[in-house]
Amino acid sequence: GNSVTQMEGPVTLSEEAFLTINCTYTATGYPSLFWYVQYPGEGLQLLLKATKADDKGSNKGFEATYRKETTSFHLEKGSVQVSDSAVYFCALSEGAQKLVFGQGTRLTINP
Amino acid sequence: GAGVSQSPRYKVAKRGQDVALRCDPISGHVSLFWYQQALGQGPEFLTYFQNEAQLDKSGLPSDRFFAERPEGSVSTLKIQRTQQEDSAVYLCASSSRTGKGAFFGQGTRLTVV
Repeated sequence: GNSVTQMEGPVTLSEEAFLTINCTYTATGYPSLFWYVQYPGEGLQLLLKATKADDKGSNKGFEATYRKETTSFHLEKGSVQVSDSAVYFCALSEGAQKLVFGQGTRLTINP
Repeated sequence: GAGVSQSPRYKVAKRGQDVALRCDPISGHVSLFWYQQALGQGPEFLTYFQNEAQLDKSGLPSDRFFAERPEGSVSTLKIQRTQQEDSAVYLCASSSRTGKGAFFGQGTRLTVV
């Protein structure tokens, strides 16, 4: 079946550091790929998405590129801020729209 | 409304009690999903509605779990004879089109004691 594997957390960085959170997936077809973010005390929010190979999703300085050859969708940001501290979830959907999530990566940014 | 609304936000149930969790999706969204999120884990799919039709209930963990959306808008997730392993955050999400991503509510945290 479909599955998503994320980089284990927690991840702790200093402000302005470069961020990468790895995500790889297994799917039988051609899924859409997503990153969701969960800020403390809030619900899951869609951060960015990509619907086909080589698409790049971007939002709030975050980027991720749909790499079919490596079945990956790594999340990157060039310079993180304290306000980026949250839990990040990689997810895929195929066909019937239900989402399959990774286990989440907790990110803490120190000033 | 402006977003997906879930109630109650927190629920404590004694083992063996029945509970009902409510979800108000974004107005006009035809698709509605329920997910279960255990502590420290990613959400796991429970069930999916398109309008009032329950098209997929493959994620419901047992026949104690039941979901309905009778008029194609508000949905209720019911858990009968709750057990400790049912303790989790229950998330509702709605969406309007395939592949566009879903909008999530803040969830209901269920604690079974």
